[in-house]
Formats: sequence, structure tokens, C-alpha cells
Amino acid sequence: RKEVEQDPGPFNVPEGATVAFNCTYSNSASQSFFWYRQDCRKEPKLLMSVYSSGNEDGRFTAQLNRASQYISLLIRDSKLSDSATYLCVVFRGTSYGKLTFGQGTILTVHP
Amino acid sequence: NAGVTQTPKFQVLKTGQSMTLQCAQDMNHNSMYWYRQDPGMGLRLIYYSASEGTTDKGEVPNGYNVSRLNKREFSLRLESAAPSQTSVYFCASSESAGLYGYTFGSGTRLTVV
Repeated sequence: RKEVEQDPGPFNVPEGATVAFNCTYSNSASQSFFWYRQDCRKEPKLLMSVYSSGNEDGRFTAQLNRASQYISLLIRDSKLSDSATYLCVVFRGTSYGKLTFGQGTILTVHP
Repeated sequence: NAGVTQTPKFQVLKTGQSMTLQCAQDMNHNSMYWYRQDPGMGLRLIYYSASEGTTDKGEVPNGYNVSRLNKREFSLRLESAAPSQTSVYFCASSESAGLYGYTFGSGTRLTVV
């Protein structure tokens, strides 16, 4: 079983739609959680951290369920510019601080 | 703010040639990492350096060597390039050993023919 698993999609949604991505992680000792965004042929960039109480940043809402080892990202009112690959990322807190990346979920927002 | 700078951005090598990918960060981060990204494989850790003077292997270290030259710089060397090393290479750095995430460089697109 992969340490971090995501539905690869692709998700194709119209502008204005609400879309949700899910992610599961296998190691219950994981400490920190993130969503990264990666545009085509670019580097991954931190979109938002995910906190146990859930957190929101504008149109983006992230949720964490430690009991189920499940992370989600909700995007409301999708924009064309939201088209990208979204990476679920988990930090296990080993001695060297390695982040583990999911393979990513591809989102395409169309007019 | 430069952040993490990688050079070169693109490179074509012939099988058997060697080259060094350069990475430098100006954020005073202790930890630095080299990843490769291939279609369908996601990001895979090649080598990392938890602090200046230390380096360790990641998931896919074979065929690579690294040098942590100082706190700012972390280079990746391919001694004898193979077509299987065709990939996009990303350098990253972090404070607090990744607890708050990484900052990535813009990547090096390497093709080995």
C-alpha cells in the first residue's frame, strides 16, 4: 500500500463548480499535512497546510480526519486558473524530515 | 527573493556523460533535498541533507552522488548518465526539517539520449 494515496482523476469541471479531492495516508504517526499545487512543467508550490480543526483560505477548504487518516481539499467557485495538479503531502517527522507526496490529482476547469 | 535556485533549467546528455546539477537557497534553511519526478511515479527522493555536512540516501539513490558544499548549496552529480535518468529534477529546502513543508526550485529537465 502506498504511504499517500490520491485519486489521480482527471477531474474536468466547469467554471463555478465545487470540486473535492480526497487523500488517505497509511502512517498514523504522521504529523503535518499539506496540499501543494503544481502547474504544468512547473515546480510544486505550497497551497495550504491542513490543520486538525480544518482550515479555509478563500475558496479553498482543507480538512483532516486523523482517526480515518484522511485529508480533503474543497475548491468552491472554480476558476480557469485553478487548473493544475494537486498534491497531497504528509510529513512523518522522521529524523530527516522527509515529506511523502501523493501522485497528484489533475484538475481541469473549463469555460 | 530568490528562494531556491537551480541550474541548468534544461540539459541534454549522451549516455555515459557526467554532469552536476546545482542548487542554492538563500533562506538559511538547514535541510535540502533532491527529488526526481517522472510521469505516473510522482516525486521520489534521491538524496537529502538534514544539515550542513551530512547527506543520506533517499528512495532512488543509485546512479547519483551529492555534495552539501555549505549551508546554501546542495549539488547532485550524475557520474555516467543513463536513459533511465531522463526526468525532471527538483531541489527543495526546508526549515524545521520539513515540518512546515518545502520550498522547491524551478526544476531541471534532463534528457539522456
